[in-house]
Amino acid sequence: NAGVTQTPKFQVLKTGQSMTLQCAQDMNHNSMYWYRQDPGMGLRLIYYSASEGTTDKGEVPNGYNVSRLNKREFSLRLESAAPSQTSVYFCASSPTRTQGPHYGYTFGSGTRLTVV
Amino acid sequence: LAKTTQPISMDSYEGQEVNITCSHNNIATNDYITWYQQFPSQGPRFIIQGYKTKVTNEVASLFIPADRKSSTLSLPRVSLSDTAVYYCLVGDVQAGTALIFGKGTTLSVSS
Repeated sequence: NAGVTQTPKFQVLKTGQSMTLQCAQDMNHNSMYWYRQDPGMGLRLIYYSASEGTTDKGEVPNGYNVSRLNKREFSLRLESAAPSQTSVYFCASSPTRTQGPHYGYTFGSGTRLTVV
Repeated sequence: LAKTTQPISMDSYEGQEVNITCSHNNIATNDYITWYQQFPSQGPRFIIQGYKTKVTNEVASLFIPADRKSSTLSLPRVSLSDTAVYYCLVGDVQAGTALIFGKGTTLSVSS
């Protein structure tokens, strides 16, 4: 059981380049999330999808777009990368009502992105 | 989203019990309390979740008083490998509401 898979694990971009971070979960969870974590900081919510077909902005959505492609996949796109977007990006998924036994998040291993 | 307050850091020795308290005065009726553990260069890992009273699993216990305005994560007999950042989060997780992470509590365990 793979859980949450993120690709790529590492990426270096030049300022202005675009890229898409991929996330897939195999636990049939309804909800998925994208967070970023800067050195020595807590996680900050970028976007989330409470259920297939819906997406909502989080704390720091500027410069990002998301797509909930289907129930399994939730991608994060940087249209024009900036050095301020250098960070570690974590994807997570969680069950919702009736999916129990608990509603904790399962996180992926992260994508380490550097924008130069 | 309920805001949480927890200590920035705590120190302990191997074999001791560690209790980390989190305050969440504005918790809503549908909110659950969830704790996560994060090691360097890894994503957070779910530890325990509760709504009221006491919850225990193989890793930790979670104590929630009747007014639910605070909660305490209890780690029995910690070891060096429990050195990590611990996050307390509150939210309507059943509805898929996204949780806001604070800075967490950095627990340092020494021998």
